Amino acid sequence: QKEVEQNSGPLSVPEGAIASLNCTYSDRGSQSFFWYRQYSGKSPELIMFIYSNGDKEDGRFTAQLNKASQYVSLLIRDSQPSDSATYLCAVNYPSNYQLIWGAGTKLIIKP
Amino acid sequence: EPEVTQTPSHQVTQMGQEVILRCVPISNHLYFYWYRQILGQKVEFLVSFYNNEISEKSEIFDDQFSVERPDGSNFTLKIRSTKLEDSAMYFCASRSTGGGYTFGSGTRLTVV
Repeated sequence: QKEVEQNSGPLSVPEGAIASLNCTYSDRGSQSFFWYRQYSGKSPELIMFIYSNGDKEDGRFTAQLNKASQYVSLLIRDSQPSDSATYLCAVNYPSNYQLIWGAGTKLIIKP
Repeated sequence: EPEVTQTPSHQVTQMGQEVILRCVPISNHLYFYWYRQILGQKVEFLVSFYNNEISEKSEIFDDQFSVERPDGSNFTLKIRSTKLEDSAMYFCASRSTGGGYTFGSGTRLTVV
C-alpha cells in the first residue's frame, strides 16, 4: 500500500517567518514529488515539483527532497497571510500514472 | 497561462440519474486524469487516460463510471446511476510529458 503522510496541523506561523511543511512517503520507488496549495472549496494549485535529491527554489518557495529518508518538505519564506491554505503533498510512481496524495497540512499565517 | 476548464461548476442530481462532467484539458497535454475529493477527505485518483484509452483506473472507478474524449478537445466523465456517496468535488487534470499536473477548478457534484 503506497502511502503519503502529512501532519494535518494546523500549523500557525507569524507573518514574515519561514513556514516548514513536511511529507513522508512509503515507497522507495517514488519518482516525482509535488506540492499543491488548496484554498477551501477550490481545486489544488501546483506550487512546484521536484525529482532529484536536494533543494529546488522558486521565488519564496523551496522544495527539499531526501530519498534516503523518504521525505519531501516545502519551505515558504517571508510568509504572507495569503499563504494561509491547506498544502497537499503528492507522489507519482513510475509504474503507474496516478498521483498518491497526502491528507494535507493546514497552514495559518498570523498577521 | 493555459488552463484546464471544467463545466459545470456545480451539479445537483437525483440519486439514480446519469451525470456527465466535462473538461477541456490544456491543448498540448497528452495525459488526462479525473480525481475526486469528498468534503474533508483526501484527493482520490479515479482514472488516467492517454493515447485515447484508459491507462489506469482505481477501485472507485467501477462500471458506473466511464470516460470519453469525443472530439479531440473535450474529456468527459460519466456516472451512469449516481449514488449519494458520489457527492464530491470532481477535478480534471492534464499534464505534458515530464510536467506537473494542472487541475481544473472542479465540479461540485451533489447527489440528493
